[in-house]
Amino acid sequence: DGGITQSPKYLFRKEGQNVTLSCEQNLNHDAMYWYRQDPGQGLRLIYYSQIVNDFQKGDIAEGYSVSREKKESFPLTVTSAQKNPTAFYLCASRSRQETNYGYTFGSGTRLTVV
Amino acid sequence: GNSVTQMEGPVTLSEEAFLTINCTYTATGYPSLFWYVQYPGEGLQLLLKATKADDKGSNKGFEATYRKETTSFHLEKGSVQVSDSAVYFCALPSITDSWGKFQFGAGTQVVVTP
Repeated sequence: DGGITQSPKYLFRKEGQNVTLSCEQNLNHDAMYWYRQDPGQGLRLIYYSQIVNDFQKGDIAEGYSVSREKKESFPLTVTSAQKNPTAFYLCASRSRQETNYGYTFGSGTRLTVV
Repeated sequence: GNSVTQMEGPVTLSEEAFLTINCTYTATGYPSLFWYVQYPGEGLQLLLKATKADDKGSNKGFEATYRKETTSFHLEKGSVQVSDSAVYFCALPSITDSWGKFQFGAGTQVVVTP
């Protein structure tokens, strides 16, 4: 079955560490997105990519970095510059050809700073 | 760009009650409109969509009608169950006729008690 896989489901980070969240899709979708969700809050866009080797900043890109070397993969690195990284991170993808289908989401990664 | 506003929660109701979650939008033209649902600890899932004005989307007993006169896409369910407890998000493309990123509402938490 096609879908988006995020790993790990839970991640613990020490202060000052960089951590990388994985997002892989086998839907052949062109665009991929990273969102951050805080408790009781909506979704805030961190980064997005509409094509391999290209990506754009979203609304809260500071302290994060991404790469898009393959169509299937869009990893997110939470750097030590991100002062409040504890949150639920969601990856999503979308097809250029199937514009009426909206986003497909992964199951999320919960990051906690310890 | 396009934007969406949805009612704040939490909405608390008893099993078998009628549910309405209001969503209004501001858009250029007539973009597709979407409702997503997020169960505790999970990613978002597409609940239903409408691709043009006057369309009605439906799924799992939920319905929403794309009303251009009132620029609304309210979500309704006639008889809720405890399993409908979740957060519901209204969404639309940031730019009509673009396959790119979405705008999401803030989310409405629904709590259904036995």
